[in-house]
Order: sequence, then C-alpha cells, then structure tokens
Amino acid sequence: GIQVEQSPPDLILQEGANSTLRCNFSDSVNNLQWFHQNPWGQLINLFYIPSGTKQNGRLSATTVATERYSLLYISSSQTTDSGVYFCAVKASYGKLTFGQGTILTVHP
Amino acid sequence: EAGVAQSPRYKIIEKRQSVAFWCNPISGHATLYWYQQILGQGPKLLIQFQNNGVVDDSQLPKDRFSAERLKGVDSTLKIQPAKLEDSAVYLCASSLDSGNTEAFFGQGTRLTVV
Repeated sequence: GIQVEQSPPDLILQEGANSTLRCNFSDSVNNLQWFHQNPWGQLINLFYIPSGTKQNGRLSATTVATERYSLLYISSSQTTDSGVYFCAVKASYGKLTFGQGTILTVHP
Repeated sequence: EAGVAQSPRYKIIEKRQSVAFWCNPISGHATLYWYQQILGQGPKLLIQFQNNGVVDDSQLPKDRFSAERLKGVDSTLKIQPAKLEDSAVYLCASSLDSGNTEAFFGQGTRLTVV
C-alpha cells in the first residue's frame, strides 16, 4: 500500500514564529488532506488539497503531486496551534492512509 | 450541517468483555470509515463501507471485531472479547463517495480496556 512520511516528528516554537510541515508519499494520489488533531482527539479538517496551493488565514498548503509531497505552512503561530498535524492520502479508490503526524508545541 | 456523530465518547471495560460503538455519518454521505488510533500513532483504517457494502476490511481483526451498516446510513463497530491492546480511540468518518472527496471525522470514542 501507499506509504506516507511526515516530518519533522516534533516541532517546538515560540509564539509568533513560522513553520513548515512536510508530507511525502510513495505513489500518485487523488486525494490529500491535512488535519489538526486537537487535545480532545478530534480531527479538524484544514485542507483538502490533492494538488495546487490553498490558503486559509495564517495557514496555507501546497501539494506538488508530480513530486509526491505536500507542505503545510503555519505563519505567526499561536498557542492554540499546538497539537498533532496529520497528512492523509488516497490513491484512486484506495483507502485514506495517514502519516504518523507532526507534534507541534507553541510556547507563549 | 450536522457533522459525524459518535457515541459513546468514553468507555472503560474489563478485558474479555464486549463493547459497541455507534456512528451516524453526515447526511447523504455514501462512504463510511472506522479507524483505530493507538496513542502516539496515526489513525489506521479498520473498515470502509460504500453504502451498506464493505469496500475494505483488510486490517479488521475479524476474530474479535465486527462492523455493520445495515441500511447504508449509521453503523456499529463491535469488539468481542476485548483485549488490553484494543485500548485506543475509535474514529468514524464519512465522505460523499469513496473517490476524490473530502472525509470528515467524528469526535471519536476513547476505549480503555483494563
């Protein structure tokens, strides 16, 4: 099956800093999503981005499908951005496969 | 628009007991997923339904886990008998179909087996 690797595994920032999270995948995908898992365990949809670039406030994402990676940018980070960020991909009509996540901690 | 509903939110059982989780997907979503998330790991797909048919259950431990979606809407996931290693968060998700459509997740059920 498709492999998904996220980096870095852990990231510690001071409030106001910028960060980039990366997701590499091993095969062509038709579906790529970024999620934020809050401290209560719920997965919050950030972006549905199988290709191209999208922005939502301080967050933006870019997927380069031909090179099999996606990037999530967080600018001017806030303590509420803390949590685990997951990338999940799907090839054709296959299953939605998750990476291991990036644990982000933002200190005030 | 209502999101994916799951119940219960928390459950504590003793090993060898049985437990059931319930999920109601977003209205009109044909595809329903059950994921298991062990602490410190990414969610792992247990079973995927398209309407009331199973699309993928390759990672479902069928000797103890079962799931059904009889009328193609809500779904139940059962564990019988539970083992200590089944302690995890069980997440339900739905999407319009099983192709290139966005999946949305419920709040999850946190299961502790003691």
